[in-house]
Amino acid sequence: QVTLRESGPALVKPTQTLTLTCTFSGFSLRPSGMCVGWIRQPPGKALEWLARIDWDDDKFYNTSLKPRLTIAKDTSKNQVVLTMTNVDSVDTATYYCARADMGSYGSGSPFDIWGQGTMVTVSS
Amino acid sequence: QSVLTQPPSVSAAPGQKVTISCSGSSSNIGNNFVSWYQHFPGAAPKLLIYDNYKRPSGIPDRFSGSKSGTSATLGITGLLTGDEADYYCGTWDSRLNVVVFGGGTKLTVL
Repeated sequence: QVTLRESGPALVKPTQTLTLTCTFSGFSLRPSGMCVGWIRQPPGKALEWLARIDWDDDKFYNTSLKPRLTIAKDTSKNQVVLTMTNVDSVDTATYYCARADMGSYGSGSPFDIWGQGTMVTVSS
Repeated sequence: QSVLTQPPSVSAAPGQKVTISCSGSSSNIGNNFVSWYQHFPGAAPKLLIYDNYKRPSGIPDRFSGSKSGTSATLGITGLLTGDEADYYCGTWDSRLNVVVFGGGTKLTVL
């Protein structure tokens, strides 16, 4: 069974760095085509893609957030970590990690399994 | 402002059919496969359609997808009150090298 679980602080102060961890099971990031992405949803707003890391360590970032984001993987621990620097109230959102199995699907990067999400509030 | 354009809301009666459109450009929908997601508040989004029209295991055939040029469409037949949710389209943008989502469509089953 494939599962992903997000973890991180529920409350972060403005200007601080947010670190989120995605711990997954049931698959590995070693095989060709396997990827993990981060997506967020601010309250009352749409899904917003943040970043994706691929099996070969290729990394892709949301264009407008790229200066503030870093994604990394620890294949031995089955974890993907997303850091976001200099957070602001507009970063208050539910953050999801999700798997994209590019080896099984076409070029659209579909996220087939999602975590339950973790709510992060940015406030002083 | 989302890269992919969806109507903010659609509605239909139980048992009826509804379609949700998703409009993009040649760099995203025009040259990549489209996915559709169903999202209930407080839950994880669920993949409904991938590769334009394929359904993952367990997704009923009441849900269908299609693509033409730079637009895609999600169809839902035999509407149930339990289908009330937000629906998002998504794909890869080859020019920007990013994943893009639509702004979401809220489905109301009257």
